[in-house]
Amino acid sequence: AQSVSQHNHHVILSEAASLELGCNYSYGGTVNLFWYVQYPGQHLQLLLKYFSGDPLVKGIKGFEAEFIKSKFSFNLRKPSVQWSDTAEYFCAVNSNYQLIWGAGTKLIIKP
Amino acid sequence: NAGVTQTPKFQVLKTGQSMTLQCAQDMNHEYMSWYRQDPGMGLRLIHYSVGAGITDQGEVPNGYNVSRSTTEDFPLRLLSAAPSQTSVYFCASSLNRGGGSKEQYFGPGTRLTVT
Repeated sequence: AQSVSQHNHHVILSEAASLELGCNYSYGGTVNLFWYVQYPGQHLQLLLKYFSGDPLVKGIKGFEAEFIKSKFSFNLRKPSVQWSDTAEYFCAVNSNYQLIWGAGTKLIIKP
Repeated sequence: NAGVTQTPKFQVLKTGQSMTLQCAQDMNHEYMSWYRQDPGMGLRLIHYSVGAGITDQGEVPNGYNVSRSTTEDFPLRLLSAAPSQTSVYFCASSLNRGGGSKEQYFGPGTRLTVT
C-alpha cells in the first residue's frame, strides 16, 4: 500500500529561520504531489502542487518544494519564516481517485 | 460563491445515536470526498464520489454511509455512533472525476464528539 511519511511531527523555529519539512512517499509510478496548510482554526488550503515539469515548484506565501524522483521526496522549504507561518502542514500524494496523506507537521514560530 | 460548506460545526452524540453530517458545494465539482482527521494520523479518506449516483469506499468506511443524489450535496451518515468516531470531519471537492489527483477544496470541518 502506498504511504506518505513526514519526518517531523513538531518543529519549533524562531522568526527569520529557514524551514525545511521532509516528505517521502512510497508510490513508484507517476505521481501528483501536494502540500496543504491548516492555519489555527481554519480549514485546509493548498500551498503548492507538482504534476509534471520543473521539479522546483513555488507556492503561496514564499513557500517552495522540490520533487526528487530518485529519492521519492517532495520537501517543503521557506528561506525565512514568519510568526504567521505557525500552522500544521500536510504532504499528500495521489493514488487513483484518492489522496494519501502524511500525518502532518505542526510548525510553531516563536516571535 | 460559498465554496464547500459543512453543517453542523460542532456536534456531541451519545453512543448508539445516528446523525447526518451535511456537505454542499456550489462550484459544480464532480468529485467529493469525506475525510476524518485525528491527531498524529493526518487525513484518512472515508468515502468519495466521482459524480452524482456514484460512491465508493475509502480507507476507513466502516460505520459510515454516503449517498450522492445531486452534484451539490454529499451527506455523511453515522449509523450508530461510537466513541472511536470522535474526530474532526472534513468534506472536500474537486472539479474533475479524477479529483483525487487534483487540487481539492475543503470545507471548514465538523468537530464530532461521541460520549
